[in-house]
Amino acid sequence: SQKIEQNSEALNIQEGKTATLTCNYTNYSPAYLQWYRQDPGRGPVFLLLIRENEKEKRKERLKVTFDTTLKQSLFHITASQPADSATYLCALDMGQAGTALIFGKGTTLSVSS
Amino acid sequence: GAVVSQHPSWVICKSGTSVKIECRSLDFQATTMFWYRQFPKQSLMLMATSNEGSKATYEQGVEKDKFLINHASLTLSTLTVTSAHPEDSSFYICSASGPRATNEKLFFGSGTQLSVL
Repeated sequence: SQKIEQNSEALNIQEGKTATLTCNYTNYSPAYLQWYRQDPGRGPVFLLLIRENEKEKRKERLKVTFDTTLKQSLFHITASQPADSATYLCALDMGQAGTALIFGKGTTLSVSS
Repeated sequence: GAVVSQHPSWVICKSGTSVKIECRSLDFQATTMFWYRQFPKQSLMLMATSNEGSKATYEQGVEKDKFLINHASLTLSTLTVTSAHPEDSSFYICSASGPRATNEKLFFGSGTQLSVL
């Protein structure tokens, strides 16, 4: 079965720096990979989706890369702000159309001012 | 954007009672909804896939008689935790595929924190 690893449980950086979060998967290559943000006691909120044939996707201060050879995605937040502090989840499709997503444990990012 | 409303946000109940959680898609029709459970500092674990008008599909290890799912309309799915016990205490989250009925992007409810005494 597919396993997702987000290498850091927690990441602490200073305001203005770039945060880089890693997501690795172990089995089949998904058709797409997604990143969500989750605040304490709340449901996840969709941020970005990147397809297997895309190497990079950007949205404002966010950037996602997808390397199917390494089975890895990197998630970057540039010019980080304290408001970016949250848990970021990597999610993959389960290999069949119309099925749910599976999630990593997440990386909790803390941005200090 | 698509909005998924989940109610209640939190509930405290006595052991042995049943709790119903509602999940509604407010501005779109959701043929399929997904129920997840999340323990502290853990990933979201899929419990079941709920399809409108048919029986839910449960993941391995999830008791279908304990976690009753009903998806009677295109905008409402409910999860009932029957005879709840302290080990059922968790954060339950529903989600739905967006208006285009693909699973590429999921919209999540705000979650329900269940505490069983």
